[in-house]
Amino acid sequence: EVQLVQSGAEVKKPGESLKISCKASGYNFTGYWIDWVRQMPGKGLEWMGIIYPGDSDTRYSPSFQGQVTISVDKSTSTAYLQWSSLKASDTAMYYCARHREQCSSTSCWGYFDYWGQGTLVTVSS
Amino acid sequence: SSELTQDPAVSVALGQTVRITCQGDSLRSFYASWYQQKPGQAPVLVIYRKNNRPSGIPDRFSGSSSGNTASLTITGAQAEDEADYYCSSRDSSGNGYVFGIGTKVTVL
Repeated sequence: EVQLVQSGAEVKKPGESLKISCKASGYNFTGYWIDWVRQMPGKGLEWMGIIYPGDSDTRYSPSFQGQVTISVDKSTSTAYLQWSSLKASDTAMYYCARHREQCSSTSCWGYFDYWGQGTLVTVSS
Repeated sequence: SSELTQDPAVSVALGQTVRITCQGDSLRSFYASWYQQKPGQAPVLVIYRKNNRPSGIPDRFSGSSSGNTASLTITGAQAEDEADYYCSSRDSSGNGYVFGIGTKVTVL
């Protein structure tokens, strides 16, 4: 059974650092991309970026480039999302998701087939 | 603003049919996927590659696509279908992904 289990809720102060995790099981971790998605309170989903655990190839949304760092540890089948200096505006629920990508001769399609339960990050002084 | 446009809210009578649309230029080249999110829960994939349902998703959920518009249809809406629905596809650069703003479906 495919599972993505995220680390627990965090309460931090502005300026502090943070690293949250997403532990995968039930499939070949290095063979599938992992995405991170933000959901601010009462708002919609925002795609942050993606990493390929096989070679750590990482892409970021322009909105999040330079604001966060995505990484993986293949030895523990875990993906990470980290901040070096949190802001109050980072308060949100963060989800990891397994990515599927396929192409035919005429089109491509990508989707997020399994999701973690989410990690709530609260940044407040 | 999102590159994928969705109506913010729709309502449907119990047992009736509702269609949710998603518009964006990237949909001319890339298929959309659809996600259901209930309050306090993680999103769940309901449709991918235009009209494919993952295992466990009821067949009252279907998808279609034409030009720059993707649609999710719930045929015979049930009370448990009340949720937010998000479309997603590649962004206009083709290098990343984007979500629509979400459509809140209310079942009356």
